[in-house]
Amino acid sequence: GGIITQTPKFLIGQEGQKLTLKCQQNFNHDTMYWYRQDSGKGLRLIYYSITENDLQKGDLSEGYDASREKKSSFSLTVTSAQKNEMAVFLCASSIDFWGGSQNTLYFGAGTRLSVL
Amino acid sequence: QQQVRQSPQSLTVWEGGTTVLTCSYEDSTFNYFPWYQQFPGEGPALLISILSVSDKKEDGRFTTFFNKREKKLSLHIIDSQPGDSATYFCAASQTSSGQKLVFGQGTILKVYL
Repeated sequence: GGIITQTPKFLIGQEGQKLTLKCQQNFNHDTMYWYRQDSGKGLRLIYYSITENDLQKGDLSEGYDASREKKSSFSLTVTSAQKNEMAVFLCASSIDFWGGSQNTLYFGAGTRLSVL
Repeated sequence: QQQVRQSPQSLTVWEGGTTVLTCSYEDSTFNYFPWYQQFPGEGPALLISILSVSDKKEDGRFTTFFNKREKKLSLHIIDSQPGDSATYFCAASQTSSGQKLVFGQGTILKVYL
């Protein structure tokens, strides 16, 4: 088994601030993802990285940057925090991107963001 | 544009009852449909999944049904337990396009004693 560790668990920021969320996985998975979870809207894909050194935009990439520093870590940056924004950011990983139905996504517990 | 629609938004059942959650989707090329279960303070975890070549898959008290013609799927939980209280997400993808799941809005399930 393995685990996905997201830091910090809670993040409080100021409007306009640049904020960075970190994710580490020890599954030795090739592919990593960042999702945003809002109440009533499900999970929406922000960025994903198929392999180390790869970066792909998801449906919600505007306002975010991402970085795959090494195979085990994937960071997400909120480039300018929006006032009163509240959301949970979930990191996930899978063995690879092309394995079809064999590819389960494993999620971390999330980083809860509040912007004052 | 919501490609995967889930209902109801929230649901309360008594212990021992049957829970039914439903999803509909628009993209007819979707062929893989997992259900994820999320407990408070945790990330979602895969509960059960089905491919479009099947119409039913069972795993203990959990069964998912798939209707290709109507573009609908459902999750049935029999003998619901308080420990089943969680948020449930259906999702969909086209496996040949990689693991880009489209998630529904989620259903918050509460099971009371």
